[in-house]
Amino acid sequence: GEDVEQSLFLSVREGDSSVINCTYTDSSSTYLYWYKQEPGAGLQLLTYIFSNMDMKQDQRLTVLLNKKDKHLSLRIADTQTGDSAIYFCAERSRTGSARQLTFGSGTQLTVLP
Amino acid sequence: EPEVTQTPSHQVTQMGQEVILRCVPISNHLYFYWYRQILGQKVEFLVSFYNNEISEKSEIFDDQFSVERPDGSNFTLKIRSTKLEDSAMYFCASTGLAGQETQYFGPGTRLLVL
Repeated sequence: GEDVEQSLFLSVREGDSSVINCTYTDSSSTYLYWYKQEPGAGLQLLTYIFSNMDMKQDQRLTVLLNKKDKHLSLRIADTQTGDSAIYFCAERSRTGSARQLTFGSGTQLTVLP
Repeated sequence: EPEVTQTPSHQVTQMGQEVILRCVPISNHLYFYWYRQILGQKVEFLVSFYNNEISEKSEIFDDQFSVERPDGSNFTLKIRSTKLEDSAMYFCASTGLAGQETQYFGPGTRLLVL
């Protein structure tokens, strides 16, 4: 079945850029997503990218997709303490009639002052 | 901005009891989902619902689980006889028409089975 993998932890200094990486196995993925989860809270959609795109930029967020290597990354420019959270990568497969997402285990981003 | 809401935010129940988790999806959305996240683990898909029927379900979604859209606004997840391992955060999500691929999640219900 589909699998999505992420590194578990990342620490950066405030003002630096953060890069969170994700790999996935399903070559038929159509959409790939980044969600943010703050402590005790739900999943907030940050951004998503369609599989025929290589890059998407949205303010401080840049998503890069390498479809050949099945690698997705999220870059946060000028990281702030409020960016500290768990970041989940998720993919939606072309297979199946529904649109369920397969999530990675999340990357805990810690922003140090 | 429209959002998915869920009630209750927390639920504590005894093993073997039935629980109903409630969700109000975004009003013009057509596809509804339940996911769960056991503490420290991945978010896992449970079930999707479209046109008043289940469209897909995972192997986690066994006979103890059921979903219903009892009226035009609510979407519920029922667990008939809860087990300790059902303790998790349960997320509802919804998405709109074909071409609108953004899946919006509710804040979750934290279920604790004792």
